Amino acid sequence: EDKVVQSPLSLVVHEGDTVTLNCSYEVTNFRSLLWYKQEKKAPTFLFMLTSSGIEKKSGRLSSILDKKELFSILNITATQTGDSAVYLCAVPHPRNYGGSQGNLIFGKGTKLSVKP
Amino acid sequence: EAGVAQSPRYKIIEKRQSVAFWCNPISGHATLYWYQQILGQGPKLLIQFQNNGVVDDSQLPKDRFSAERLKGVDSTLKIQPAKLEDSAVYLCASSTQRLEDTQYFGPGTRLTVL
Repeated sequence: EDKVVQSPLSLVVHEGDTVTLNCSYEVTNFRSLLWYKQEKKAPTFLFMLTSSGIEKKSGRLSSILDKKELFSILNITATQTGDSAVYLCAVPHPRNYGGSQGNLIFGKGTKLSVKP
Repeated sequence: EAGVAQSPRYKIIEKRQSVAFWCNPISGHATLYWYQQILGQGPKLLIQFQNNGVVDDSQLPKDRFSAERLKGVDSTLKIQPAKLEDSAVYLCASSTQRLEDTQYFGPGTRLTVL
């Protein structure tokens, strides 16, 4: 069964800390892995990873993919209260009927709380 | 560029009632998705449209859920009759057909079934 597993499910840190969020996956015909940030309701796109070992970076956030070990990590350095959110990891379903990535299989998310 | 629009933002109904949600995707996006997100879970795809045709509705509970996308633009998702377990956030997303592009999500509709 195709699945995405995220850990930890929740995390509480203080401002300035560095956090690492984990995502492991099992999917046939792997094409890409995506990270989203969900504050309140709408997930917003962070990164799309397709190649192993190539770090993607945006400000204090970075992510890397390991296709051999079937996992990805999302790092956030110097956390701020505005980073508090649920971080979702997703992979496209092997059955893609079109659209940019098709049906996305999401993990349960990691709820990050950053305390002042 | 305007984002994905959804309405209503919140809805509270009694079980066995009907409810409908509306979605207006980003202009020019051919693909439209409806996801259901139950509290504590990741979003789960209900139905995917390519223009005005359904390409994947394998996880749609067809005995009570229906969706349409007339003219390949706006879409509505209906639940009739609602059950308690339908309480969730219903997210609409849209995308182009380019593999390198991502899906853009709307603000969602939070449905509470009492």
